[in-house]
Amino acid sequence: GDSVTQMEGPVTLSEEAFLTINCTYTATGYPSLFWYVQYPGEGLQLLLKATKADDKGSNKGFEATYRKETTSFHLEKGSVQVSDSAVYFCALQTDSWGKLQFGAGTQVVVTP
Amino acid sequence: DAGVTQSPTHLIKTRGQQVTLRCSPKSGHDTVSWYQQALGQGPQFIFQYYEEEERQRGNFPDRFSGHQFPNYSSELNVNALLLGDSALYLCASSSAGGSPLHFGNGTRLTVT
Repeated sequence: GDSVTQMEGPVTLSEEAFLTINCTYTATGYPSLFWYVQYPGEGLQLLLKATKADDKGSNKGFEATYRKETTSFHLEKGSVQVSDSAVYFCALQTDSWGKLQFGAGTQVVVTP
Repeated sequence: DAGVTQSPTHLIKTRGQQVTLRCSPKSGHDTVSWYQQALGQGPQFIFQYYEEEERQRGNFPDRFSGHQFPNYSSELNVNALLLGDSALYLCASSSAGGSPLHFGNGTRLTVT
């Protein structure tokens, strides 16, 4: 079945450091890929998405490129801020109705 | 423009009891999905409602049931609660055209 694997956290960084969160997937067909972010006590917010191979999603300084050959969708940000501290979820969608398959999440902690 | 709203925010129930959680979708959305997020894990798809019918269902027992009303709002019912049902229950809405999911802040259910 479909699945998403993310690197385990917590990932602890200093402010202005470079962030990478690895995400790989297994899916039949051609899924759409997403990154969601969850701040403490809140629901999930869509961070970025990509719907086909080689697409690059970007938002708020975060980027991820849909790599079909490596079945990956790694999240990157060049200079993190304390406000980026959150849990990040990689997810895939293989049907047209919007059902999402999530990874386990990666907690990111950014210290001043 | 109100986003997805869920009630209540927190709930404590005893094993064997029944619970009803409520969700109002974002304005303009007609599809509601429910997810269960256990502590430290990614959300798991429970089911999705469209046109007042259950359109898709994840791997959850029949103790989990739902309803969608003509105004697109939705309820999630869980019967015969187990300790393992303790989780954050997230509601997400979208439009039939397959727009990205918008999540509410969730209902934290604790079963004692």
